[in-house]
Amino acid sequence: RKEVEQDPGPFNVPEGATVAFNCTYSNSASQSFFWYRQDCRKEPKLLMSVYSSGNEDGRFTAQLNRASQYISLLIRDSKLSDSATYLCVVRRGKTSYDKVIFGPGTSLSVIP
Amino acid sequence: GAVVSQHPSWVICKSGTSVKIECRSLDFQATTMFWYRQFPKQSLMLMATSNEGSKATYEQGVEKDKFLINHASLTLSTLTVTSAHPEDSSFYICSAPGPPSYNEQFFGPGTRLTVL
Repeated sequence: RKEVEQDPGPFNVPEGATVAFNCTYSNSASQSFFWYRQDCRKEPKLLMSVYSSGNEDGRFTAQLNRASQYISLLIRDSKLSDSATYLCVVRRGKTSYDKVIFGPGTSLSVIP
Repeated sequence: GAVVSQHPSWVICKSGTSVKIECRSLDFQATTMFWYRQFPKQSLMLMATSNEGSKATYEQGVEKDKFLINHASLTLSTLTVTSAHPEDSSFYICSAPGPPSYNEQFFGPGTRLTVL
């Protein structure tokens, strides 16, 4: 079993739709959680960190359930520019010097 | 934010040659850097952790004699793919822990290696 698993996708949604991505992780000792987006042939870019209390950044909302070892990302009012692969990332420690584990990613295409 | 650069951005080489990829932190010091590999339609896999002044730490299954890492200074780490073969064709990405005020890694733009 992979340490970080995500919906396989792809997700094809119309502009303006709400889309939710799910992620589960197997190592209960994991300390930090993130969502990254990766455009084709580019490096991953941090979208947002995920906190136990849940957090929101504009149209993006992230949730963490430590008991279920589950992370989610909700995108509201999808834009064409949201088309990308979304990577769930788990870090074993609390600092940026700790290793991170990338999930396999879920591809999103927002269609006009 | 902190910037990490990589060079070259892409390289095509013949089988059997060695290729060196550079990773630089441009406006901050990085005593540690991470090297990842990403095959098409797959996620990033950590290959090794590069440490300034000491040997790199390799992940299980990564051949240290094939993927030579040298962390020559506080701003430069290099990955050399020795005797490259077509199966080494991949997207290689480095990252560095950001300055103290940032709790995240900063990624280089990646190097696309194609071995013919």
